Amino acid sequence: AQTVTQSQPEMSVQEAETVTLSCTYDTSENNYYLFWYKQPPSRQMILVIRQEAYKQQNATENRFSVNFQKAAKSFSLKISDSQLGDTAMYFCAFMSPLFGNEKLTFGTGTRLTIIP
Amino acid sequence: KAGVTQTPRYLIKTRGQQVTLSCSPISGHRSVSWYQQTPGQGLQFLFEYFSETQRNKGNFPGRFSGRQFSNSRSEMNVSTLELGDSALYLCASNNRGQYQETQYFGPGTRLLVL
Repeated sequence: AQTVTQSQPEMSVQEAETVTLSCTYDTSENNYYLFWYKQPPSRQMILVIRQEAYKQQNATENRFSVNFQKAAKSFSLKISDSQLGDTAMYFCAFMSPLFGNEKLTFGTGTRLTIIP
Repeated sequence: KAGVTQTPRYLIKTRGQQVTLSCSPISGHRSVSWYQQTPGQGLQFLFEYFSETQRNKGNFPGRFSGRQFSNSRSEMNVSTLELGDSALYLCASNNRGQYQETQYFGPGTRLLVL
């Protein structure tokens, strides 16, 4: 079974600074997808970024980028020039479509607070 | 495109009652997954429906069931509600089979069982 671990329950950073959220996962599969989702106080789960395991290039979306280390099974999220609107819970998630399984396995989340 | 919609957004029930939650996926998406989110257990997968068929099921008792209609809208039902069923229920749609493999979530239904 796959597991996803987020070892930082809470983090805080000053506005405009850079912050990195950690995520590790465990799987024996070779083809899979990794995601970071953001859940602000509204509780809406919002996709931040997506990485396909077969791609060596790290995904980026504007101020958000990942450091994907497949051998180490590590998938960290870097937020540059952090903004107050980045305050939220961040969840790392894993999906392997093997055998048609589209289930997402989530980590326990990191609560990120951006300080004005 | 309109996003994933869920109704109702809030619900209060008492123990022993049953509840039905509804989810309409993004237009063109045929896969709908359901998740339960609680402070204690985090986010847990309930089940996934694709083309009106349940494709995967999480580790939940039989009181939790679902279905999907021909227009891809999905409902989940919880019978004989227990206090522990209080949670945020999230629905996600996915354009399965189109190599997208990305789930987009609705705003959730907050269920409180008294």
